[in-house]
Amino acid sequence: EAGVTQSPTHLIKTRGQQATLRCSPISGHTSVYWYQQALGLGLQFLLWYDEGEERNRGNFPPRFSGRQFPNYSSELNVNALELEDSALYLCASSFDRDSTSYEQYFGPGTRLTVT
Amino acid sequence: QKEVEQDPGPLSVPEGAIVSLNCTYSNSAFQYFMWYRQYSRKGPELLMYTYSSGNKEDGRFTAQVDKSSKYISLFIRDSQPSDSATYLCAMTTNAGKSTFGDGTTLTVKP
Repeated sequence: EAGVTQSPTHLIKTRGQQATLRCSPISGHTSVYWYQQALGLGLQFLLWYDEGEERNRGNFPPRFSGRQFPNYSSELNVNALELEDSALYLCASSFDRDSTSYEQYFGPGTRLTVT
Repeated sequence: QKEVEQDPGPLSVPEGAIVSLNCTYSNSAFQYFMWYRQYSRKGPELLMYTYSSGNKEDGRFTAQVDKSSKYISLFIRDSQPSDSATYLCAMTTNAGKSTFGDGTTLTVKP
C-alpha cells in the first residue's frame, strides 16, 4: 500500500513569492493534516481538512491556506513568503475524523527554503 | 508555557540499554497519546498510541500514561543502533489537531 506522498521534495522561493505544496493521502483516508517543522522546533499544527472542508486551524496567519480536493488530495499555499517560513512542511493523513485522528501517517515532507 | 514539554536530550546509550523517554502536559482535555519516531530527513512514523492511563506494550516498546500526573513515557528495551532517531510525543483532544513535543534525539552506540 502506498503511503502519503508529497511534492515537491524541495522548493526554493524568494521572499514575497507564493509557494504551493501538494499532498496525496493514503488510499481510503479522508482526513489530511498539515504541519510545519522549523529547524530546531517541534511540529506545529497548521491545518486539518476532512471531506473537502477545513476542520481546524493552527495559530498561523491567513497567508497560510489550503484546500482539499474531491479525491482527498490537498494543497497548502503560502503567500507573501517570509524568511521565517523556511521549514519542512509535513502532511499526514488518517482514516476519518471521528475515530482515528490520533492515528496519523506522515509523508516525507517538502523542504521549503525562502531566500 | 508549552502544552507539551518533552525531555530535550540528546540521549546517548550503549546497545542493549533500556531507554526512557518522557513528556509532561498541561491540557487535561488530551485523550490520546502517541509516540512517533523520526529518522533524519524523513517524516515521523507512528510507533504507538494509547488512550487510557496504564501501559501498552509492542515488542521492545512500552508506552506508559499517567493521566493523574499528566506524564507519559516510552520505554525501549534492548535498544539497537537502528533505534537511533528523534522520538516525538504527541497528544490530541481528538479534534484533529495533534500537539507535539519538541523531540528527543536518541543515539544507540554499538
